Amino acid sequence: EIVMTQSPATLSVSPGERATLSCRASQSVNSNLAWYQQKPGQAPRLLIYGASTRATGIPARFSGSGSGTEFTLTISSLQSEDFAIYYCQQYNNWPPWTFGQGTKVEIK
Amino acid sequence: QVQLVESGGGVVQPGRSLRLSCVASGFSFSRYGVHWVRQAPGKGLEWVALLSYDGNNKYYADSVRGRFTVSRDTSKNTLYLQMNSLRAEDTAVYYCAKDNLYTSLGMYGFDIWGQGTMVTVSS
Repeated sequence: EIVMTQSPATLSVSPGERATLSCRASQSVNSNLAWYQQKPGQAPRLLIYGASTRATGIPARFSGSGSGTEFTLTISSLQSEDFAIYYCQQYNNWPPWTFGQGTKVEIK
Repeated sequence: QVQLVESGGGVVQPGRSLRLSCVASGFSFSRYGVHWVRQAPGKGLEWVALLSYDGNNKYYADSVRGRFTVSRDTSKNTLYLQMNSLRAEDTAVYYCAKDNLYTSLGMYGFDIWGQGTMVTVSS
């Protein structure tokens, strides 16, 4: 099973600033990585797949990069609606499809 | 509108059974696989099971294999998760989620999620 590790656990950012979230895989997942956003009481929302492709309707301030074992989600200028928990997920080696433990982006 | 709606959650005693339903609208079950993903209170996401788009392949997490069974009724556009021998550690919100890419097996992420249904296993 591929283990996904996200860092940091919590990221404190001021509105308008850039946020950089990291995700590491225990072995290569090529570019088979997705990012999700989850707000309290809501289901996750797909942001990025293929490590860098934005899902339908996702604003351009969200971008993904990386391949192999190291990945980054960048939010270029945080808006109030972006404060949430973000999860990475690999779909290279399955089952299982595995998620990271999440990074909480909070208001500084 | 592409949508998934779960139901069937509730409070159940350890060792008992429960069946969750996931009704799909706006897309064809025969073209998209649908997963079950759960989230224990205050915890992260855990993939549970997948029923492939063609209904021929079922995959399970080790934590539920042999206890949970995924199935579907295409005439009702409904996916089911039969959960037997429930344990306290099965307590979670259960989501169904659709494959992003048609006729794939969990590739490119899960693009549509239901609102979730809560399952509490407690005596």
